[in-house]
Amino acid sequence: ETGVTQTPRHLVMGMTNKKSLKCEQHLGHNAMYWYKQSAKKPLELMFVYNFKEQTENNSVPSRFSPECPNSSHLFLHLHTLQPEDSALYLCASSLQPSGRHSYNEQFFGPGTRLTVL
Amino acid sequence: TQLLEQSPQFLSIQEGENLTVYCNSSSVFSSLQWYRQEPGEGPVLLVTVVTGGEVKKLKRLTFQFGDARKDSSLHITAAQPGDTGLDLCAGGEDSSYKLIFGSGTRLLVRP
Repeated sequence: ETGVTQTPRHLVMGMTNKKSLKCEQHLGHNAMYWYKQSAKKPLELMFVYNFKEQTENNSVPSRFSPECPNSSHLFLHLHTLQPEDSALYLCASSLQPSGRHSYNEQFFGPGTRLTVL
Repeated sequence: TQLLEQSPQFLSIQEGENLTVYCNSSSVFSSLQWYRQEPGEGPVLLVTVVTGGEVKKLKRLTFQFGDARKDSSLHITAAQPGDTGLDLCAGGEDSSYKLIFGSGTRLLVRP
């Protein structure tokens, strides 16, 4: 496998279910991200992990719980979601930029299309 | 709050036509990236521009970063059905992991 992979690609869950999304990157990157993509809205950054440490939690409700056991794997644990949480959840990875004139080029997985009933 | 506005939001054109997509902000960015997202897939990085006034070409695609580094454009020559998708711009800061994404331009190229 190369690049960034995400499983499952599609997920339908009830509001009382618990499920997890998985992301794996094979690029040797040290930063990983969760984004939410809803129709007609810009990509929303949810969480950032840098060297396995969470460095950003963008006011995300606690029903979303991330886990980063190592720099290649990232999970998003879902619990008691709401219908408005239905969206495409994208994982991305990058090399952590450092120093002047460095920039953050992110590589995305194909996403998990989540539907909450 | 930094925002990136893209225009048009939606564009439907005939194969062979030319088009330009715009990405504008009131904020200065140290870099500006363009991604393309095809249906059912994640965004794929096309190009990064970092210098005011910079122009980069990728086959039929021409990207320009504004002189003041607040705006950018993507020009497509002789559009093809394979160009169909969502074009996203994203602004970045030096040494920052955060990208600010625009809401995208959804392009449909009809055969």
